[in-house]
Amino acid sequence: DIVMTQTPLSSPVTLGQPASISCRSSQGLVHSDGNTYLNWLQQRPGQPPRLLFYKISNRFSGVPDRFSGSGAGTDFTLKISRVEAEDVGVYYCMQTTQFPYSFGQGTKLEIK
Amino acid sequence: EVQLVQSGAEVKKPGESLKISCKGSGYIFTNYWIAWVRQMPGKGLEWMGNIFPGDSDTRYSPSFQGQVTLSADKSISTAYLQWSSLKASDTAIYYCASYCSGGSCYNTWGQGTLVTVSS
Repeated sequence: DIVMTQTPLSSPVTLGQPASISCRSSQGLVHSDGNTYLNWLQQRPGQPPRLLFYKISNRFSGVPDRFSGSGAGTDFTLKISRVEAEDVGVYYCMQTTQFPYSFGQGTKLEIK
Repeated sequence: EVQLVQSGAEVKKPGESLKISCKGSGYIFTNYWIAWVRQMPGKGLEWMGNIFPGDSDTRYSPSFQGQVTLSADKSISTAYLQWSSLKASDTAIYYCASYCSGGSCYNTWGQGTLVTVSS
């Protein structure tokens, strides 16, 4: 089974400053079809999760362009170029390359 | 509009059975996997399992195999998550997620169902 490990688990950030979250998988996430099914989700307080990125770096509809996703192999990164108040919440990486699917532990983004 | 609407909050006693639902609309329900995700109070997301409504193919997380049952009724575009004997540790919010478009999958989430198990 694939284990997803996120760092840091907590990230206090000043408004307007950048933020970065790392996600490492215990094995490669390249599917037999050639795609890497690494997703990033955001969960704001009291809300269900929301898809931000799919296949590493593809921004989902409605996601601001201050967010970016990158990586390959087993190492992936979510970056926010300038954090805004609405970005507060918990961010999860999730692999859907193979069953059983798995999530990272979550990274709590908060404002300093 | 693609939507997943989940059934309402439940309060149950240990040992009771429960079946919660996730109804899809705005898309072809039978064409996409439905994932179920658990979130215990103050904790992260855990993948429980998937069901493909088209043929009821089901995959379970080893952590949940034998503890829950996934099913689906194609005729009413509804997926179910059920327990035969609840435990206090089943207290959590349960989410369903589905739908693929433009290369993304699991881009639509239900609002969540809070299950509280307490004597």
